[in-house]
Parts: sequence; C-alpha cells; structure tokens
Amino acid sequence: SQKIEQNSEALNIQEGKTATLTCNYTNYSPAYLQWYRQDPGRGPVFLLLIRENEKEKRKERLKVTFDTTLKQSLFHITASQPADSATYLCALPKEGGSYIPTFGRGTSLIVHP
Amino acid sequence: EAQVTQNPRYLITVTGKKLTVTCSQNMNHEYMSWYRQDPGLGLRQIYYSMNVEVTDKGDVPEGYKVSRKEKRNFPLILESPSPNQTSLYFCASSPRTSAGGYEQYFGPGTRLTVT
Repeated sequence: SQKIEQNSEALNIQEGKTATLTCNYTNYSPAYLQWYRQDPGRGPVFLLLIRENEKEKRKERLKVTFDTTLKQSLFHITASQPADSATYLCALPKEGGSYIPTFGRGTSLIVHP
Repeated sequence: EAQVTQNPRYLITVTGKKLTVTCSQNMNHEYMSWYRQDPGLGLRQIYYSMNVEVTDKGDVPEGYKVSRKEKRNFPLILESPSPNQTSLYFCASSPRTSAGGYEQYFGPGTRLTVT
C-alpha cells in the first residue's frame, strides 16, 4: 500500500543556512505532491504544489523538487529565519488519483538565531 | 476574509455523550474533509465530501458521522464518544479545479478530550 516517509527527527539549523527536508513515497506515481507548514496547535497551511511533469517549483525563499524516478521530493528553505521554525508536511493524492490526500507525519524544523 | 471556521475550539466531555463539531467555509469550495491528528500518527482523514449530499469514508471513520446538507457546512458527529477519540480535529476545504491539485484550506482545529 501507499506509504509516505518524512524524517521524524527534527532538523536543527543556523539562521541564514538552507534547510532541506525530504519526502519519500512508495508504491505508485502520484500526479502531484504538496507541501504544508504547520505551527503547534494550528491547522496546516498550504505552501506549494508540484506536478509530476515539473522538476522544480519556486516561491520566494522556497524551492521544491520532484524526482519521480527516485520517488522523492525535496523541500528547501533558503536564508532560513527563526520564524521558519515549524513542522512541514508533504501530501500526495491517494493511489488511484482520488481526491483524498494522504499526509506524511511531518518533519520539525528548528532554526536557531 | 476567506476562511474555514470550527466550533467549539476546545471541548471536554464524558464518554457516551453525543457531540457535534461544526465546520463552515465561506469560499464556495466543493470539497470538505475532516482529519484527526495524534502525536506520532500524523494527520488521518476521517470523512470527506465531494459535494452536497455526497460523503465518503476516509482512513479512520469508525465512531464518527458526517453530513453535508449545505455546501458551506460539514459537521462532524460523535454519537457515543470514547476516550480513544481524544484528539485534535481539523476541518478542511478545497476547491475543485480542472487542473487537479486540491490545495486544502484548514480550520483552526478543535481539541477534544473525552474522559
């Protein structure tokens, strides 16, 4: 069955550095992949969507790549700031192309000043 | 302001006492969903709706009911809550687009404790 893997260990980096988070998936080829940001006790907020025919997508300091051969997406935050500290979730449509998205468990990012 | 609202935000109740968590969106979205989030388990979908009067089970529907009588509202009903339903609940809505993608807009969450 479909599985989404995100590093459960928190990523600690220094302010100004580039943070890179990984999302791996198994067993099928999704038409797109999404990234969300979640702050403690709050609802996730949509950040970016990348489609299977796109290798890379950018939005301000954010960059997402999508490697359908490796079944992996990388999420980069350049020039990171303490305000970027949050949990980042990736999400894929369920196998079969249905509307139902499946979320990874998220990776916590901590940016130290 | 475009938003998804949930009420109540916090609720402590006792086992077996029926409760309803309301969800409303003002963006005219076709799709709505309910999730629960538990430590170590991430976000899991309970039910979803693709249109008025159209609902379907997600990954963890046991113990929950939903209804979609109006496009903007999607209440979550716990007929007989049990302690294992203690969780943080999120409602989400999403527009139907021809390109697909289904970007989701989440509500602020409802923290439910069942004793």
